[in-house]
Amino acid sequence: AQTVTQSQPEMSVQEAETVTLSCTYDTSESDYYLFWYKQPPSRQMILVIRQEAYKQQNATENRFSVNFQKAAKSFSLKISDSQLGDAAMYFCAFMTSDMLTFGGGTRLMVKP
Amino acid sequence: DAGVTQSPTHLIKTRGQQVTLRCSPKSGHDTVSWYQQALGQGPQFIFQYYEEEERQRGNFPDRFSGHQFPNYSSELNVNALLLGDSALYLCASSWGNRIGGISGYTFGSGTRLTVV
Repeated sequence: AQTVTQSQPEMSVQEAETVTLSCTYDTSESDYYLFWYKQPPSRQMILVIRQEAYKQQNATENRFSVNFQKAAKSFSLKISDSQLGDAAMYFCAFMTSDMLTFGGGTRLMVKP
Repeated sequence: DAGVTQSPTHLIKTRGQQVTLRCSPKSGHDTVSWYQQALGQGPQFIFQYYEEEERQRGNFPDRFSGHQFPNYSSELNVNALLLGDSALYLCASSWGNRIGGISGYTFGSGTRLTVV
């Protein structure tokens, strides 16, 4: 069985600064995908960034980037130039066989 | 292009009752997955429907059942409701015939179920 752990229940960042959210996972699979989702108060899960496990290069999407360490089973999210609209719950998720396993989430607060 | 729509947005049920939640997938998607998100937790996979059949199931009791219609929309049914079934129920749609992850999920905004 897969497990995903987010060790930071809450994080806070100053607007325009950089913050890193941590995620570790455990699996015996060799083929899988990793995701970071954002869940604002509207409740809809919004895909932030995706990483294929077979790719060594870390994914980036504008201000969002990941540090994927496959051997350590670590998948952290870095948000640069934080904006007020980044405030939300962030969930790390692992996918195999088209099924997602989520971590417990990190609440990100952005201070103006 | 419509995204995933779920109905109702909120509902309150009494313990022991039955409930049906509905989901219309994003246009062009043929697979629907359901997740339960308890307050303060990450979502948990309930089951997935493809070609009108349950393709995968998570660790949920038989009280949780579903259906997919020919137009790809789906229903989640929960019988004999317990207080612990109170949660946000999320529906996600995707392409069923593509490798998992590449197809990507589109989530709806969920149905908030409160059991009293």
